Amino acid sequence: GESVGLHLPTLSVQEGDNSIINCAYSNSASDYFIWYKQESGKGPQFIIDIRSNMDKRQGQRVTVLLNKTVKHLSLQIAATQPGDSAVYFCAERNQAGTALIFGKGTTLSVSS
Amino acid sequence: NAGVMQNPRHLVRRRGQEARLRCSPMKGHSHVYWYRQLPEEGLKFMVYLQKENIIDESGMPKERFSAEFPKEGPSILRIQQVVRGDSAAYFCASSPGGLREQYFGPGTRLTVT
Repeated sequence: GESVGLHLPTLSVQEGDNSIINCAYSNSASDYFIWYKQESGKGPQFIIDIRSNMDKRQGQRVTVLLNKTVKHLSLQIAATQPGDSAVYFCAERNQAGTALIFGKGTTLSVSS
Repeated sequence: NAGVMQNPRHLVRRRGQEARLRCSPMKGHSHVYWYRQLPEEGLKFMVYLQKENIIDESGMPKERFSAEFPKEGPSILRIQQVVRGDSAAYFCASSPGGLREQYFGPGTRLTVT
């Protein structure tokens, strides 16, 4: 079935460290993935997306890696800052191509 | 350029009342999506609409829930005869076309007492 999940519910890092947040998906036909950041009391904020014809995509301080062989997605945040503290969700396009399916989220805590 | 607008931000209803949640998409976006988020969980898709059309409502409960996106005005998510289990955060997202990145509003937090 269609499902997206994350390996760890929480991740704690020190300011300045690099963070890696992982996500596994089950639908091998998925062709589009997005990472969102959600701060407390706010709506999800788009971070970066990647299509299935790519293995890697870089943004500002963030990199998304896609491994279709093992159906694994990761978000790397360089030089993590306290402002990066939030819940991070990966999402994949559903089979109908009409909606996103979200995983449960990883809570990233950054300490100074 | 204003982002996705939702109102009200907080809504309290007693059991049996109706809840109406509004969403104005970003300028130039004609695709609207509604999601529901329970505490400590991810977002669950409810419905996808374009102007005057429901494209996919596979995530909507069969009873009491309805959605519309009229030619003029905001998209409305309507919940009739609310029950305590309807308490959640409801998020609206919009996109310019197809399923490219979706931009989310701040959400409406519904509390049913």
